[in-house]
Amino acid sequence: DVKVTQSSRYLVKRTGEKVFLECVQDMDHENMFWYRQDPGLGLRLIYFSYDVKMKEKGDIPEGYSVSREKKERFSLILESASTNQTSMYLCASSYPRTGTEAFFGQGTRLTVV
Amino acid sequence: GESVGLHLPTLSVQEGDNSIINCAYSNSASDYFIWYKQESGKGPQFIIDIRSNMDKRQGQRVTVLLNKTVKHLSLQIAATQPGDSAVYFCAETFDYKLSFGAGTTVTVRA
Repeated sequence: DVKVTQSSRYLVKRTGEKVFLECVQDMDHENMFWYRQDPGLGLRLIYFSYDVKMKEKGDIPEGYSVSREKKERFSLILESASTNQTSMYLCASSYPRTGTEAFFGQGTRLTVV
Repeated sequence: GESVGLHLPTLSVQEGDNSIINCAYSNSASDYFIWYKQESGKGPQFIIDIRSNMDKRQGQRVTVLLNKTVKHLSLQIAATQPGDSAVYFCAETFDYKLSFGAGTTVTVRA
């Protein structure tokens, strides 16, 4: 059974903290993605990676960075958390190139206070 | 029932009727167009995709239509069931990048 696991389901952090969101997939997928989901805005792509150590900016990368040191793990980093980064964060992975069938984790609900 | 556009409209459908969910996409160079379904409390799940050089593709109870002339994608669900209640997203892929629209919330009335 395919699986994408996000380290936390709920997280509360203070403004200015450095926050790490971890995602692990067990499907040997090359592609991995980080999205944030907000009401009325759908899923917006933050960063994606198509190979180990490779990363590409998505549509809203400001205030975020990522790390992909191993194929199965893709980390999202909020360098200095702000209240406007309160959101649901979703990680996904897919096979290369076409990559139409992405598998998603359960999401991390992050609240920045 | 039918929805229009990439906004977040809601669509209410009578059980047993056919549903049509519409989407306008932005990138003419996209390789594939895809529909996902997200149920409450879960991540999105793949439903069906269509390659950019095709016009129509059918799956189990679903059909996706692609009109490249007007950059329009639609998902038709036959004989809508209560389990079809969810948020539906259109998405597109280009050079590894997978981008989503805003979604349509479908509610099935008994």
